[in-house]
Amino acid sequence: NAGVTQTPKFQVLKTGQSMTLQCAQDMNHEYMSWYRQDPGMGLRLIHYSVGAGITDQGEVPNGYNVSRSTTEDFPLRLLSAAPSQTSVYFCASSREGSRSNQPQHFGDGTRLSIL
Amino acid sequence: GDSVTQMEGPVTLSEEAFLTINCTYTATGYPSLFWYVQYPGEGLQLLLKATKADDKGSNKGFEATYRKETTSFHLEKGSVQVSDSAVYFCARSNSGGSNYKLTFGKGTLLTVNP
Repeated sequence: NAGVTQTPKFQVLKTGQSMTLQCAQDMNHEYMSWYRQDPGMGLRLIHYSVGAGITDQGEVPNGYNVSRSTTEDFPLRLLSAAPSQTSVYFCASSREGSRSNQPQHFGDGTRLSIL
Repeated sequence: GDSVTQMEGPVTLSEEAFLTINCTYTATGYPSLFWYVQYPGEGLQLLLKATKADDKGSNKGFEATYRKETTSFHLEKGSVQVSDSAVYFCARSNSGGSNYKLTFGKGTLLTVNP
C-alpha cells in the first residue's frame, strides 16, 4: 500500500515559471489537503477538498490553485512562482469520520525552491 | 480563530531522560487534539490523538492528556531514546471537529544524545 505519494521530491524554479505538484492517494480517502512548512511557522493549510469536485481555501491560498477531478488525485498548481513560495509542501489525506477519529496521512513532501 | 502554541525548541536531552513538550490550544468549539512526529527527510506521522476532554492518547511510550480546564495537551515520555530525535507538532482540528482542517503549532525539535 503506497499511501500518499507526492511528486516530484525536489524542484527548482525561476520566478514566473509555473508548475504542478502532484499528490495521489490509494486509500480511497474522501478528504485531501495541501500544507506548506516554513521554518518557525509550523504547517499552514493552503487548500483542501472534502470530495471529488469540491475544494476550498485554507489559511494561505494566494498564488495556488487546486482541483479534485478524482478521489485519488489532488494536484497543486503554482501559476507564476514567486520566491515567497519557496517551501516544503505536504499533501495529506484522511477518511471522513466523526469527531476526528480518522487521522491525516501525510506524503513525504516536495521541496520547492524559487530563484 | 483556532490556534496552537507549543513550547519553543530546540530541546536537547540525554538518553533515558524525561521529556515534556508543552502545548496549549484556543478553546473554541470541540476540537480533537493530535501530536504528530516528523523524522528527518520524512513527512508527518500521527503519534497520538485525543478526541474529548480527559482522554489520554498514548503510543510508543508517549502520552498526552486532553485537559479542557487548562486548554492543554502536553506530550510526555518517561525515558527517551536516541531514535526519538525528531520534530514534534501539536495540532488541533477545527472548531467543529472536522479532521481535514488541522491547525499546527510551530514544532519542537528534540535531539536525544547517547
